[in-house]
Amino acid sequence: EDQVTQSPEALRLQEGESSSLNCSYTVSGLRGLFWYRQDPGKGPEFLFTLYSAGEEKEKERLKATLTKKESFLHITAPKPEDSATYLCAVQTPYGGATNKLIFGTGTLLAVQP
Amino acid sequence: NAGVTQTPKFRVLKTGQSMTLLCAQDMNHEYMYWYRQDPGMGLRLIHYSVGEGTTAKGEVPDGYNVSRLKKQNFLLGLESAAPSQTSVYFCASSYAYRLERGAGNEQFFGPGTRLTVL
Repeated sequence: EDQVTQSPEALRLQEGESSSLNCSYTVSGLRGLFWYRQDPGKGPEFLFTLYSAGEEKEKERLKATLTKKESFLHITAPKPEDSATYLCAVQTPYGGATNKLIFGTGTLLAVQP
Repeated sequence: NAGVTQTPKFRVLKTGQSMTLLCAQDMNHEYMYWYRQDPGMGLRLIHYSVGEGTTAKGEVPDGYNVSRLKKQNFLLGLESAAPSQTSVYFCASSYAYRLERGAGNEQFFGPGTRLTVL
């Protein structure tokens, strides 16, 4: 069964304290791995798509990387406005031509000033 | 561009009542999806549609029905609401699947509907 696991469940950082969030996956095949940000009371907001091992993408203080079994979301010198839940999701060939996503349960990040 | 919109934002139902959640998108996306989000469970796919007039079951379809009569709208119906359907419901949309990488197969989400069934 395809599965996505995120760790830690919650992370508290001081402003400027860099860290990483983990997304590990066991799937029948990977078409793409997606990172989303979700603020309280809002819908998920798309951040990145990664397609193959070794690929990296950056956006401001965030950098996403991908290996054959996991992805990391690195947060460099975070600010309080980076506080949110970060969701990881995968697309597999089993989903057919549907773009269906399998989501992890997310990491709740709190950055304190 | 409004993106993906959902109505209503909040709703309280009594057990056995029915209701319809409306999702609309103005990005000309072919695919649309309904999810529910529960604490500790993550986002789970209820139903989805790959085109006007077509729908399919997702991971947790029981107790829900959907219709896609127009490309830009996707309706989620609860015929007889149960307390277990208390959740936050999200609609999403995406372009049709493209083989080439970097082609934008990501989904775009609406703001959600918070539903409580008493």
